[in-house]
Amino acid sequence: AQSVTQPDIHITVSEGASLELRCNYSYGATPYLFWYVQSPGQGLQLLLKYFSGDTLVQGIKGFEAEFKRSQSSFNLRKPSVHWSDAAEYFCAVGAGANFGNEKLTFGTGTRLTIIP
Amino acid sequence: GAGVSQSPSNKVTEKGKDVELRCDPISGHTALYWYRQRLGQGLEFLIYFQGNSAPDKSGLPSDRFSAERTGESVSTLTIQRTQQEDSAVYLCASSLGRQGSILSSYEQYFGPGTRLTVT
Repeated sequence: AQSVTQPDIHITVSEGASLELRCNYSYGATPYLFWYVQSPGQGLQLLLKYFSGDTLVQGIKGFEAEFKRSQSSFNLRKPSVHWSDAAEYFCAVGAGANFGNEKLTFGTGTRLTIIP
Repeated sequence: GAGVSQSPSNKVTEKGKDVELRCDPISGHTALYWYRQRLGQGLEFLIYFQGNSAPDKSGLPSDRFSAERTGESVSTLTIQRTQQEDSAVYLCASSLGRQGSILSSYEQYFGPGTRLTVT
């Protein structure tokens, strides 16, 4: 079965600084990878996804992520964070290539705090 | 257009009582998922509906948990004889499912969740 590890429970970054949130997955084949953001009191919003092809994917709000098969990683990055980026970030993996198996497996999340 | 909606947004119940949580998916989305998010943890898959196919119940933690969905519309998650460990945020998501490609089927849109507190 697939699994996802987000090693950083909480990260604090100054506004305007760069950001990298780590995600490692375990799965035998090429997975489908996702990053979601959850702001306080909000549902999860999809930031970006990787299915195949170019390993550097662009998402909304200026985020990007890079799939590295050799490291089983899908780290999320942003060059310059804004105070509004403070939220909980979840990495997720989907492993089924056929209909009927599309449930996602989520990491435990990384809470991002932005300081002025 | 309207997103996924869930009700109630908050529910406080006494241990041993039954609760029902409701999810209204995005219109046209044939796939519906329920997840549970315990404090400080990631989302835990509970159950998955796809059209009129038999649901995937593999994530339900006990027989106190059940869910129903009529056609491609509203779904209800029922927890019987609630326990304190059931306290969590219950999230619903929907996707195009088999209406689209396998890739679009993975793009799940989440509701705001129902926060359940069992006292």
